[in-house]
Amino acid sequence: DIQMTQSPSTLSASVGDRVTITCRASQNNRNWLAWYQQKPGRAPKLLIYKATTLESGVPSRFSGSGSGTEFILTISSLQPDDFATYYCQQYNSHFWTFGQGTRVEIK
Amino acid sequence: QVLLQESGPGLVKPSQTLSLTCTVSGGSINSSSYYWTWIRQPAGRGLEWIGRIYSNGRTNYNPSLKSRVTISVDTSKSQFSLKLSSVTAADTAVYYCARAVYGDYGDDWGQGALVTVSS
Repeated sequence: DIQMTQSPSTLSASVGDRVTITCRASQNNRNWLAWYQQKPGRAPKLLIYKATTLESGVPSRFSGSGSGTEFILTISSLQPDDFATYYCQQYNSHFWTFGQGTRVEIK
Repeated sequence: QVLLQESGPGLVKPSQTLSLTCTVSGGSINSSSYYWTWIRQPAGRGLEWIGRIYSNGRTNYNPSLKSRVTISVDTSKSQFSLKLSSVTAADTAVYYCARAVYGDYGDDWGQGALVTVSS
């Protein structure tokens, strides 16, 4: 199984801040990684797939980088709508595994 | 845009079988580009992938749940279903259905259905 470890688990930031969230895979995951945003009481929303490809309609302040075992989600300038929990998800194997989530809260 | 809607009992007794159906509208469940997927999330916790099915019935399951899970598809009704047997309180969660692009990641999700396991 490929295990995914996200850090930090919680992040306090202000509007306008640059924010980075890291996801590490337990083995080489090439670029088979997606990022989701989830708000309370809502389903996850796809932000990025194939590690770096922005889903249609997602603001360009979101970006993804990395390959292999280390992946990063960057929000270039945090907006009020971005306070949420973020999950990474690998799809290198025949089943998915998610990171534990990173909660982005208002500082 | 495709819409997915979960339906089924919100309360299941321990040791019984949890059954949910996802109805797909606005898109074809027969599309060659997608798998149809179940994910769950216990309250206040992270996401857990349950399994997926292709329109021809091919399935993959989470190894940790494989002995208790069955996912099936009814293309005539544009629905796919989840059955989870021998449930316990640990199976209490919000259950989501989602469309998975080539089976890899979920680009459209249902709103989620809360299922509570309790006597």
